[in-house]
Amino acid sequence: EVHLVESGGVVVQPGGSLRLSCAASGFAFGDYAMHWVRRAPGKGLEWVSLISWFGDATYYADSVKGRFTVSRDNSKNSLFLQMNSLTTDDSAFYYCARDVFYRGFIGQIDYWGQGTLVTVSS
Amino acid sequence: QSVLTQPPSVSASPGQKVTISCSGSSSNIGRNYVSWYQQVPGTAPKLLIYNNDKRPLGIPDRFSGSKSGTSATLGITGLQTGDEADYYCGTWDTNLSVVLFGGGTKLTVL
Repeated sequence: EVHLVESGGVVVQPGGSLRLSCAASGFAFGDYAMHWVRRAPGKGLEWVSLISWFGDATYYADSVKGRFTVSRDNSKNSLFLQMNSLTTDDSAFYYCARDVFYRGFIGQIDYWGQGTLVTVSS
Repeated sequence: QSVLTQPPSVSASPGQKVTISCSGSSSNIGRNYVSWYQQVPGTAPKLLIYNNDKRPLGIPDRFSGSKSGTSATLGITGLQTGDEADYYCGTWDTNLSVVLFGGGTKLTVL
């Protein structure tokens, strides 16, 4: 069974940094592209970032480009999101999620973690 | 404002049918597969439909998807109170190289 477990969400001050982690199990992690998606309180889903299965290609939403960096360690079945220069607009539940496409990506997500809450507040 | 446009809310009675639309453009829906997600408050999103009209294992056939041109539609028949949730369409945008989600539609089963 596929499991995705996020961690690292805390309260952080504006301008601060945070690193989220996602531990994957139950599937061949290194064969799937992975996404980060967030949902702010009272708002809808917002896609944040995508990393290819091999880690050689990354994509970002304009709202986080230049501030967030996605990475992965396939040897440890782990996904990361380094978040810098945080603003209150970044406050949200952050979900780690798997792309449906084997050894590629198609922008469709079949498995989601339960999310980790990031709160940016002074 | 989302690039993919969904109605903010829909409502219907138990047992009835409802459809949720998702409108995009030639660079996203017009060129790529559409997926649909259900998010019950306080829980993680769940995939309902992928590749425009395919249901993952475990998703009942009360849920259906279709696509025509630059629009897609999610249909739900035999509505149940447990279907109350937020529903999102999603797709890849080839020009922007990003994943897009619609703004979400809140389904109320009266």
